[in-house]
Amino acid sequence: AQSVSQHNHHVILSEAASLELGCNYSYGGTVNLFWYVQYPGQHLQLLLKYFSGDPLVKGIKGFEAEFIKSKFSFNLRKPSVQWSDTAEYFCAVRLGNNQGGKLIFGQGTELSVKP
Amino acid sequence: GAVVSQHPSWVICKSGTSVKIECRSLDFQATTMFWYRQFPKQSLMLMATSNEGSKATYEQGVEKDKFLINHASLTLSTLTVTSAHPEDSSFYICSAVGTGTTYEQYFGPGTRLTVT
Repeated sequence: AQSVSQHNHHVILSEAASLELGCNYSYGGTVNLFWYVQYPGQHLQLLLKYFSGDPLVKGIKGFEAEFIKSKFSFNLRKPSVQWSDTAEYFCAVRLGNNQGGKLIFGQGTELSVKP
Repeated sequence: GAVVSQHPSWVICKSGTSVKIECRSLDFQATTMFWYRQFPKQSLMLMATSNEGSKATYEQGVEKDKFLINHASLTLSTLTVTSAHPEDSSFYICSAVGTGTTYEQYFGPGTRLTVT
């Protein structure tokens, strides 16, 4: 069955540290890839997405992600985190080009940024 | 941007009763809506997919007679938890995709259900 795996359950960083959250998926066909963020007590918000084209995508709040097809990966990065980045981060995959299709979510990574 | 609302934001009900949760797309027509369940500190688990005017498609292991989904219009989908039990206590989240949303899923704020 198709699955999405996020390697880190909980990441703790100090402000200004660099961030990389891993995401791998198991599916050999075309995928659309997403990273969502859930701040405490708030709903999921889209950080960035990849459908096609340049595999390095830039999102909101200084986040970026790189799609490496050969590694089935879509890791999220930020060069310098802030305390306000403390949140839960979810990687999600949509199979094929069914643009109304369902998302498969990873387990989530809790990011705690110490001031 | 596309906005999705849910009502109520939280609800407490007694075991054996039914509770209805509404999901509305406020500024776009939602051709497809999704219902998820999220346990504390865990990921979102898709329960079902609903398309306007047709029956919902349930994920494996989700009881369709217990979680009734109605997508009666292009702006409203409802989830009814029938004969609720304490193990149904959870955070229920809906999302919507539709015209003008570039086919991204926009998520509602969620509904916290507590069954006593």
